[in-house]
Formats: sequence, C-alpha cells, structure tokens
Amino acid sequence: TQLLEQSPQFLSIQEGENLTVYCNSSSVFSSLQWYRQEPGEGPVLLVTVVTGGEVKKLKRLTFQFGDARKDSSLHITAAQPGDTGLYLCAGATPNRDDKIIFGKGTRLHILP
Amino acid sequence: NAGVTQTPKFQVLKTGQSMTLQCAQDMNHEYMSWYRQDPGMGLRLIHYSVGAGITDQGEVPNGYNVSRSTTEDFPLRLLSAAPSQTSVYFCASSRDRAGAGELFFGEGSRLTVL
Repeated sequence: TQLLEQSPQFLSIQEGENLTVYCNSSSVFSSLQWYRQEPGEGPVLLVTVVTGGEVKKLKRLTFQFGDARKDSSLHITAAQPGDTGLYLCAGATPNRDDKIIFGKGTRLHILP
Repeated sequence: NAGVTQTPKFQVLKTGQSMTLQCAQDMNHEYMSWYRQDPGMGLRLIHYSVGAGITDQGEVPNGYNVSRSTTEDFPLRLLSAAPSQTSVYFCASSRDRAGAGELFFGEGSRLTVL
C-alpha cells in the first residue's frame, strides 16, 4: 500500500491551461515536500509545507497543505512547456520522521 | 560545487555478480539515503543514514547493504545482483535529520542486470 497517493499519474494539457495535481494519504504528516524531476536528472525541491492549511506560492505554482496535514495539492496557472516534468510529493513517515518516502509521481506534459 | 556525486553513471551486470554504487557528498550533511526509481513507481527508499556509523532500512532493503564509515560517503552494495534490481539508483543527502529538510540528489546511476 502506497502511503502517499498521487493523482493523476499522467497529465497532458495545452499551454496556457490551469491544472491541479494531488498528493493524498490516510496518515498525518509533519511536513510534505514537492519535487520536480527532469529526464536524466535527480529530483529538485520546489517547496516544503509544514503547517496545516498553509499555502505557498512559487511564481505560477501554488502549493497547499491540507488542514489535517494528510494531503497536499499543487496548482499551476497558465502552464508553460517549461513546466513539463515529473512532479513528486514526499514526506517523512508518521512513525519515523527520518524516513522520507515518495509518491509515485505525476508526469506532466505541456503541449505548445 | 560538486554536491552529491554518484559513480558509476551506467553499469551492466550479469545475474549473481556483485558491485558497489558509490555516493559522496561535500556539503557535510548528516543525512544520506539511497532510492531506486522504476517506471511508474516513483522513488522507493532502500536504506538511509542519519550520521556516520548509523544506518537503517527503508521500504525495499532486501538485496542491498550499506555502511556509513564517514560523513561524506554512503556506498550501496549489491552482493548478488538479480534482474529485479535493474533500475535507476539515486543517492540523496540532507543537512537535517528529520523530514522537513531539503534532499539534494545525485544524477543517478543506471544499472542493468542481465
């Protein structure tokens, strides 16, 4: 059973459209992180959310941590081809905060 | 800045062979970890270490050994490679021992076991 469920797995949309990807769990996390990975490279951190209900913005990307700290979302406004990549959420397991696990990822493709 | 360095970048093994994937970081990070990435599976944690002399198992530890004799190095050993271990392996490090710290990743090592 995957502790962190990401949806959708794949998303292909036109440039300029908006999109939201989700990271859900039945467990409470002390923090969640979002990473982006491009082909042939390791993931790179986008944001860390720590407080329930927290919203963080990174240019056209908006990240939200659920009030109960069990889920998170990533919203992209006016998607650009440069947003194409694999988006991964990650969190420290509830019983061992030094064990960081990842969801399966959302592969995003923005068509020009 | 070197960051996290993994070697080799590519390796082909035959079933039953052994090998070591090397990982070194020059950021004086306490926390280091190894993940494997397979299509559609995201990153799965193999082993991790919160400091020199301390290692622990992740989600998929079977078939892999690690040691942490220095802060800088965290090698991953495959004692008897199996085709199921064909994957891309990533090493990561973090300044923080707990989950809110940023993970810095190497560029990955692509392993094929025939």
